[in-house]
Amino acid sequence: EVQLVQSGAEVKKPGESLRISCKGSGYSFTSYWISWVRQMPGKGLEWMGRIDPSDSYTNYSPSFQGHVTISADKSISTAYLQWSSLKASDTAMYYCARLASSGSFNDAFDIWGQGTMVTVSS
Amino acid sequence: EIVLTQSPGTLSLSPGERATLSCRASQSVSSSYLAWYQQKPGQAPRLLIYGASSRATGIPDRFSGSGSGTDFTLTISRLEPEDFAVYYCQQYGSSLVTFGQGTKLEIK
Repeated sequence: EVQLVQSGAEVKKPGESLRISCKGSGYSFTSYWISWVRQMPGKGLEWMGRIDPSDSYTNYSPSFQGHVTISADKSISTAYLQWSSLKASDTAMYYCARLASSGSFNDAFDIWGQGTMVTVSS
Repeated sequence: EIVLTQSPGTLSLSPGERATLSCRASQSVSSSYLAWYQQKPGQAPRLLIYGASSRATGIPDRFSGSGSGTDFTLTISRLEPEDFAVYYCQQYGSSLVTFGQGTKLEIK
């Protein structure tokens, strides 16, 4: 079964760092781009950026560039989303998603992780 | 940035009725790189339609997509109880992927 499994919910304080993960299985991890999507409480979907796990090339939304880092470790089929200094406004559900076609930069998201809830509160 | 505007914001219909959801882009979406997703409470989004009109694997044929350029439509021919959810359009033709703000389909 093709799936993306994300790490569990996190509760952090403002200023702390965090890395959440997204592990792919059931397919060739290096053949498909991975995107990250934010959903703030009660709000819509916002695309954050994407990574090509084969060479870790990244492409960010200007809204998130410089505030988060997307990375991948192809040896363990895992993509990451990390913050160096969290803010209360980072409180949200974060999803990873696979782009549908092998090697495609422009594609719909066919497989989604279950989401990781990040809560930032003092 | 391509801005996607979905209408209506909320659509109230009964099971068995036909639903028509609209997504309008601020500029032409290249190669019809337009997708539709369904999201139910507490769940991740699910891909319904890609390439403006192609159904994703396992999606019932009561879901159909149409349109090109700047105007796109998702149609659900006969609503089933499980179809009541939030629907998002997405364009993925540019280096900056964007989503619409969503349409909530609720039971009348």
